[in-house]
Amino acid sequence: AQSVTQPDIHITVSEGASLELRCNYSYGATPYLFWYVQSPGQGLQLLLKYFSGDTLVQGIKGFEAEFKRSQSSFNLRKPSVHWSDAAEYFCAVAPSNFGNEKLTFGTGTRLTIIP
Amino acid sequence: NAGVMQNPRHLVRRRGQEARLRCSPMKGHSHVYWYRQLPEEGLKFMVYLQKENIIDESGMPKERFSAEFPKEGPSILRIQQVVRGDSAAYFCASSPSWGGVTEAFFGQGTRLTVV
Repeated sequence: AQSVTQPDIHITVSEGASLELRCNYSYGATPYLFWYVQSPGQGLQLLLKYFSGDTLVQGIKGFEAEFKRSQSSFNLRKPSVHWSDAAEYFCAVAPSNFGNEKLTFGTGTRLTIIP
Repeated sequence: NAGVMQNPRHLVRRRGQEARLRCSPMKGHSHVYWYRQLPEEGLKFMVYLQKENIIDESGMPKERFSAEFPKEGPSILRIQQVVRGDSAAYFCASSPSWGGVTEAFFGQGTRLTVV
């Protein structure tokens, strides 16, 4: 069965500092990979996704993620965070074959931004 | 084009009552997914439906929970005889028939509180 690990439960960074959120997955083949953001009391918004091709993926709000097959990782990065980036971030995977339509989510990383 | 609409946003039920959660997918979307988010946890897949069909209900509790997506109208997640452990945020996502989970959009969720 596939699984997703987000080892950092809570991260605090200063506004303007760089950010990296870690995500590792376990799956027999290369899955589809996603990062979502959830603001307090809100639903999930897709930041970016990886299916194939270029392993560096650009998303919305200045985020990017890099797929590293050898490390089974899909870490999310942003060069300079803004106070509005404070939220919960979820990494998710889905099998890369149609017919199995489940997203498996990590437990999330809560991001706090300090002035 | 309105997004995925869920209602109510907040629902309070006493133990033993029924909870009915509604999800109207985005226009043109025929696939619906339900996920549950327990406090301090990631989202867990519950059920995947297409119009008038349950495709995958492997994440649904065996008792008290049911889901439907009729030909007309919203998808309904029903929880009978609610217990305190059902308190959670329930999210619906929808996608077009050609995209599957890779093109899924999430609603803002229904937060169920059982008292």
